[in-house]
Amino acid sequence: DAKTTQPTSMDCAEGRAANLPCNHSTISGNEYVYWYRQIHSQGPQYIIHGLKNNETNEMASLIITEDRKSSTLILPHATLRDTAVYYCIALSDGEYGNKLVFGAGTILRVKS
Amino acid sequence: DSGVTQTPKHLITATGQRVTLRCSPRSGDLSVYWYQQSLDQGLQFLIQYYNGEERAKGNILERFSAQQFPDLHSELNLSSLELGDSALYFCASSVRAGVVNEQFFGPGTRLTVL
Repeated sequence: DAKTTQPTSMDCAEGRAANLPCNHSTISGNEYVYWYRQIHSQGPQYIIHGLKNNETNEMASLIITEDRKSSTLILPHATLRDTAVYYCIALSDGEYGNKLVFGAGTILRVKS
Repeated sequence: DSGVTQTPKHLITATGQRVTLRCSPRSGDLSVYWYQQSLDQGLQFLIQYYNGEERAKGNILERFSAQQFPDLHSELNLSSLELGDSALYFCASSVRAGVVNEQFFGPGTRLTVL
């Protein structure tokens, strides 16, 4: 599975968009980009995933570059409750079984 | 609330002891995963079961074992406990065995080994 690189931490003002980058330059064609987040010691929470196209759901948008070497998770209007560790994971779809490999993630601090 | 339940919430025990952590997946989910989160190692995958069958294995210690029962709940057994086993243990569930479907995580069991 491709290695991902994320900034250690980021700050964002409440109400503004939070843009979290992720580099996955060695990603292969069948690997998806997943984003999860973990709010202080709670269980990780799925946010969004994508393969090639940009994706949007009620929580966030995922923008994947055309060469798929990087992506950006966008929280359109960050709130204090979005303060969490955000994990970007590149993973192929193993029909038989698979696992999430979490790196260090990005600590996002939303400030009022 | 993810729909995944884990018991107990907290567990305090002594070195050398054995404990069992329990997980009930979301209704309809056939796959269960176990993860360990410690301060020095971060979140690490331990093992996955799908409909009672082991499907994927991470760096799970030989002192640890798991199983998934016919009613789909799962148990993680930790034996000969060491201080370094102190961690948060998360269970997650998903509909399918493959990964292109989100995993829903439970609230975790905090294990403290004294």
